[in-house]
Amino acid sequence: GAVVSQHPSWVICKSGTSVKIECRSLDFQATTMFWYRQFPKQSLMLMATSNEGSKATYEQGVEKDKFLINHASLTLSTLTVTSAHPEDSSFYICSARDLKRYRVGFGSSPLHFGNGTRLTVT
Amino acid sequence: KNQVEQSPQSLIILEGKNCTLQCNYTVSPFSNLRWYKQDTGRGPVSLTIMTFSENTKSNGRYTATLDADTKQSSLHITASQLSDSASYICVVRLDNYGQNFVFGPGTRLSVLP
Repeated sequence: GAVVSQHPSWVICKSGTSVKIECRSLDFQATTMFWYRQFPKQSLMLMATSNEGSKATYEQGVEKDKFLINHASLTLSTLTVTSAHPEDSSFYICSARDLKRYRVGFGSSPLHFGNGTRLTVT
Repeated sequence: KNQVEQSPQSLIILEGKNCTLQCNYTVSPFSNLRWYKQDTGRGPVSLTIMTFSENTKSNGRYTATLDADTKQSSLHITASQLSDSASYICVVRLDNYGQNFVFGPGTRLSVLP
């Protein structure tokens, strides 16, 4: 079945450094990927929509200069947390829609999630 | 305001018992409703996707219902297993042309031996 791979699964970094998180769709093409963050015992909060070949669309309140998104190919999107601070510590999750199924079942295409990245900034 | 509410917030049941989780939404225009299971420290995994015309859909021991008139959905788990312990998230998609998904807060289910 379709798989979205997210790497790394966890990372610890010092305050002020930058961290890159990768999201790959392994057996389908994804023109659009989504990035979320999740705090303990809370649901996912959409941060941005990553579009292949164009700029990402950020949700209100999300700093685009701090959370850099690059969607260079149909199977890879990256999220870079720049100059990370302890308050950026969170669980970051990506998701991608199956392009082929998008055409077959318009609107009901599966949304596949990665396994998340636990970021801890010390 | 587009919103998805879930109840209960958390639930504890004994292994082998059945349970039902609720999802109410005020989302318009409605496209479809999805139930996801999220294990701790993992990404959500899809259980069901239901469109406006579907009332019931099953996936193994999971059965989802949808009442588009009252804007309610339920997820029924039969003969619960320890591995069912997870958060169950209700997600509603706004329309067929955008990328807008509204996430519920989830129900935390704990299945005890």
